[in-house]
Amino acid sequence: EAQVTQNPRYLITVTGKKLTVTCSQNMNHEYMSWYRQDPGLGLRQIYYSMNVEVTDKGDVPEGYKVSRKEKRNFPLILESPSPNQTSLYFCASSRGWAGASYNEQFFGPGTRLTVL
Amino acid sequence: GQNIDQPTEMTATEGAIVQINCTYQTSGFNGLFWYQQHAGEAPTFLSYNVLDGLEEKGRFSSFLSRSKGYSYLLLKELQMKDSASYLCAVWAGSYQLTFGKGTKLSVIP
Repeated sequence: EAQVTQNPRYLITVTGKKLTVTCSQNMNHEYMSWYRQDPGLGLRQIYYSMNVEVTDKGDVPEGYKVSRKEKRNFPLILESPSPNQTSLYFCASSRGWAGASYNEQFFGPGTRLTVL
Repeated sequence: GQNIDQPTEMTATEGAIVQINCTYQTSGFNGLFWYQQHAGEAPTFLSYNVLDGLEEKGRFSSFLSRSKGYSYLLLKELQMKDSASYLCAVWAGSYQLTFGKGTKLSVIP
């Protein structure tokens, strides 16, 4: 089954304790992306990757890191989480970007993160 | 910068037709997507427009006017399960997909 998986689905942590949220896709997609979703603000892009070892900042990258060492995986790293990073996080992937309907984003199930 | 506007909330009656509008001002344009998101779940793809005009897909249709920076999603024969948020998203002149804040649709009996 074609899918994007994220782990963990739920996480409660404390300020300053490094954490990683994993994301994996099995569709051989080139493009992967991380979003956070907050009430009243909608989905905002954190980082994206066009291929292995190619990443770039989205609209809200501060406090986050990513890596793309393999095509299927795109982990999100919070080196020193703070309470303002409490949010619902989605990983997504697509064949490519722009210009075609087959570039729809497939979303993972989401990770609800609480930073105390 | 990119700016995408949608109404925050809408209410419609079961069996009726509802139109959800989206206006955008972006630095480029490479296509517009509509997604549906039920509460607590991931967004799922509904439609895609890159050329002006109407795209129809069963009960759902989406329209685009590039010259006006305007799109709408039309939902016909509304069902209770259509209660969800509807997200408009634009691929602008970059590698980023920018989302509007979403329109929460409530379908009432």
